[in-house]
Amino acid sequence: DGGITQSPKYLFRKEGQNVTLSCEQNLNHDAMYWYRQDPGQGLRLIYYSQIVNDFQKGDIAEGYSVSREKKESFPLTVTSAQKNPTAFYLCASSTGAANTGELFFGEGSRLTVL
Amino acid sequence: AQSVTQLDSHVSVSEGTPVLLRCNYSSSYSPSLFWYVQHPNKGLQLLLKYTSAATLVKGINGFEAEFKKSETSFHLTKPSAHMSDAAEYFCVVSNTGFQKLVFGTGTRLLVSP
Repeated sequence: DGGITQSPKYLFRKEGQNVTLSCEQNLNHDAMYWYRQDPGQGLRLIYYSQIVNDFQKGDIAEGYSVSREKKESFPLTVTSAQKNPTAFYLCASSTGAANTGELFFGEGSRLTVL
Repeated sequence: AQSVTQLDSHVSVSEGTPVLLRCNYSSSYSPSLFWYVQHPNKGLQLLLKYTSAATLVKGINGFEAEFKKSETSFHLTKPSAHMSDAAEYFCVVSNTGFQKLVFGTGTRLLVSP
């Protein structure tokens, strides 16, 4: 089945550690995105990538980094510089322009900082 | 800049009664509008979208929404709620380019037997 796979589903991190969240898609989509979700808030865009080897900062990129070496993969690293990393992280993809609104989401990764 | 306001953080209904989830938008241009649904600890799924065609948009699972430019609203409705509709619903607007989807804060729909 085609879709987006995020791993791990749950992750615990000590303060000061970097952690990488995996996102893989087999939909052959060009564009991929990372969103952060906090209780009572909408989704906020961290980074997005329209093509391989290219990505742009979203609204809350500070303390995060990404890479896009393959079309299928868009990993997100939460660095120790992110002051409040505990959140639910969602990866998404689309065929092209996001303003068509048709994003396909993974099931998310919940990160807890101890 | 575009924005959306979801007027209710929680909506409670009984199974079999109508559902109304309210969304107002602000946009300088003709917007595209969407509703997404999220079940607990899951990703989001597109319910329906409006992109300047018919103002009444039908989506999956019996949901529909009406675009009303004069009221800047895009409310989500369903004639009869089912227990499986219990979830969080997000209204989304986009009009200024590739990455600019703006999500509302969400409305949690509770359905009681």
